[in-house]
Amino acid sequence: GQQLNQSPQSMFIQEGEDVSMNCTSSSIFNTWLWYKQDPGEGPVLLIALYKAGELTSNGRLTAQFGITRKDSFLNISASIPSDVGIYFCAGYNSGGSNYKLTFGKGTLLTVNP
Amino acid sequence: GAGVSQSPSNKVTEKGKDVELRCDPISGHTALYWYRQSLGQGLEFLIYFQGNSAPDKSGLPSDRFSAERTGGSVSTLTIQRTQQEDSAVYLCASSPDRIEQYFGPGTRLTVT
Repeated sequence: GQQLNQSPQSMFIQEGEDVSMNCTSSSIFNTWLWYKQDPGEGPVLLIALYKAGELTSNGRLTAQFGITRKDSFLNISASIPSDVGIYFCAGYNSGGSNYKLTFGKGTLLTVNP
Repeated sequence: GAGVSQSPSNKVTEKGKDVELRCDPISGHTALYWYRQSLGQGLEFLIYFQGNSAPDKSGLPSDRFSAERTGGSVSTLTIQRTQQEDSAVYLCASSPDRIEQYFGPGTRLTVT
């Protein structure tokens, strides 16, 4: 089945720094999504990308749908302590009876104040 | 509006007992998903509902696990004869379009 490789697995950064993480696949997806999970909570949808090459922002977060459709990137600018959590990417292919998201294993972000 | 809710938030049970976990999806969302997340791990797909039917139960780990959905709304995940390896966070998500999934806060299950 399809697999997503998400990197890095973990990051330790200082408050104020910018963060980049990415997700790659061996096969094409036509939708990419990024989620954030706070400790003890369920994942929250941050950004959904529907078009190859699309660049979408949500506050300090910017995500891009790779032109090859096999990757996606998430950037966080000027990190703050509440950015701590696990960030998951997910891919989706429409068509037929498909209904599942394929999730990456997550990037654990720690922000030192 | 109201998000996905799950109950209980925490459940401690003895090995061998049955447990029921409940999910209230966002009103109008026809698709509903259950996932399991072990400590520090990713999301393991368990089952998908479209309306009241479950086209895919392939993710259920064993026949001790079952789920139902009634009225196209509330869903219950039942684990019979719980084992210690069942300890995990059980997450429910609903979706209006099978793409954007909205998660509940989860139920943390501990089997002693």
